[in-house]
Amino acid sequence: NAGVMQNPRHLVRRRGQEARLRCSPMKGHSHVYWYRQLPEEGLKFMVYLQKENIIDESGMPKERFSAEFPKEGPSILRIQQVVRGDSAAYFCASSLSRGGTGTRNEKLFFGSGTQLSVL
Amino acid sequence: DAKTTQPNSMESNEEEPVHLPCNHSTISGTDYIHWYRQLPSQGPEYVIHGLTSNVNNRMASLAIAEDRKSSTLILHRATLRDAAVYYCIGGAGNMLTFGGGTRLMVKP
Repeated sequence: NAGVMQNPRHLVRRRGQEARLRCSPMKGHSHVYWYRQLPEEGLKFMVYLQKENIIDESGMPKERFSAEFPKEGPSILRIQQVVRGDSAAYFCASSLSRGGTGTRNEKLFFGSGTQLSVL
Repeated sequence: DAKTTQPNSMESNEEEPVHLPCNHSTISGTDYIHWYRQLPSQGPEYVIHGLTSNVNNRMASLAIAEDRKSSTLILHRATLRDAAVYYCIGGAGNMLTFGGGTRLMVKP
C-alpha cells in the first residue's frame, strides 16, 4: 500500500544541466501536484496535472520548467539548464479527485520530496 | 486569495495540550479550512480539515470559530514526534497555498 513515491531522493546537477524529477502517485490517484520549497520557506504551488493534461500551471516559471503526467508511468518535472537558484526541495502530491480548499475538500498525500542541489 | 496568519513559532512541554491558532478573516463561506504538518526532512502530511463544525480525528481536534474567521488546531497531548511546522490553509482557491506555518517545538 505504497504512498506517493518520488525519486531520486537527492539529485546533484551542475549549472546548465537538466534535472528530471519523478513522481508516482498513490494507487488509484489521477491528480498530481508539484510544489517547491526553498530553504527555510513554505511550499509554493507550481503545477497541477490530471492524467495527460495540465490543469493549472500558474506557479510554474515561464522558462526552463515543464511538467507532464503521461497515461502510463510517473509524472515528470523537468528543469532545463539548471541554475543555482533552482536548488530546493521539490514535493509531489496526489489526490483521488480534485484537491484543495474551496468547495472541494479532498486531501492531498505528499511524497518525501527530491532535494535538488545545483553546483 | 484569502490569507492566513499564524504565529511563527510555539513551544510546548511533552504530554501537555497544544493550541495552535490561525486567523483566516477573509475566508469565503464555502471554503474548507485545512491543516497540514511537515516533519523535518519530510513532505507535508494531512492533519485535519473542517468547514463549520468542530472536527476530531486520531491526530488532533479542530475548533472553528462561529464566524469562521479563525480556527485552532488542538493536539491533546504533545509528544516529541509532534515537533513540526504546522500549516493552516484556508480559502486559497483550487490549490492548497502554504504560508509560513507555525514551528512547534516540544520540550521533554
